Amino acid sequence: LAKTTQPISMDSYEGQEVNITCSHNNIATNDYITWYQQFPSQGPRFIIQGYKTKVTNEVASLFIPADRKSSTLSLPRVSLSDTAVYYCLVAPPEDDKIIFGKGTRLHILP
Amino acid sequence: EAQVTQNPRYLITVTGKKLTVTCSQNMNHEYMSWYRQDPGLGLRQIYYSMNVEVTDKGDVPEGYKVSRKEKRNFPLILESPSPNQTSLYFCASSLASTGVETQYFGPGTRLLVL
Repeated sequence: LAKTTQPISMDSYEGQEVNITCSHNNIATNDYITWYQQFPSQGPRFIIQGYKTKVTNEVASLFIPADRKSSTLSLPRVSLSDTAVYYCLVAPPEDDKIIFGKGTRLHILP
Repeated sequence: EAQVTQNPRYLITVTGKKLTVTCSQNMNHEYMSWYRQDPGLGLRQIYYSMNVEVTDKGDVPEGYKVSRKEKRNFPLILESPSPNQTSLYFCASSLASTGVETQYFGPGTRLLVL
């Protein structure tokens, strides 16, 4: 499994765009990149998944450069309710064992 | 409503008293998994199951057992709980037989072992 590195914590303000970067220097050719969001005292929730370039859904965008050694989760116009821990996972489709890591604690300020 | 349910949600027990935390999903998912979450350590996988009667160890399986006799249920068993198993536990499931596909998590079970 590719090891990932994320900032431990980030602060931002309501209405701002927030970008959280995940480094995965030893990503393998068939690895996918997945992001989860976890609110306090709740289970994680899938946000977005991608393989290359850019993926966008109603919640977020995921930017993956050509070398795929990093990825950036972009949250547009955050609100207080976006305060959560965000996890970056990197693994191939056939993988059974999942490593979440410690994630990035995002704190949105008014 | 599609969901993963866990019971109990909160449990206080004493060292050595066997307990079972149940997990059930109604989405006909192949893959199910158990995680524990501790402050500063993030989410760590305990056991997972790719299908009925197929289970395997995650990162922290010591002190835990699981079984997958039916597709919808995946109970977590602590034969002889110890205080270091005090934690927040999450069950999850996903459609495919691997964990890389979107996982749906239960609400969590908070366990305190005295």
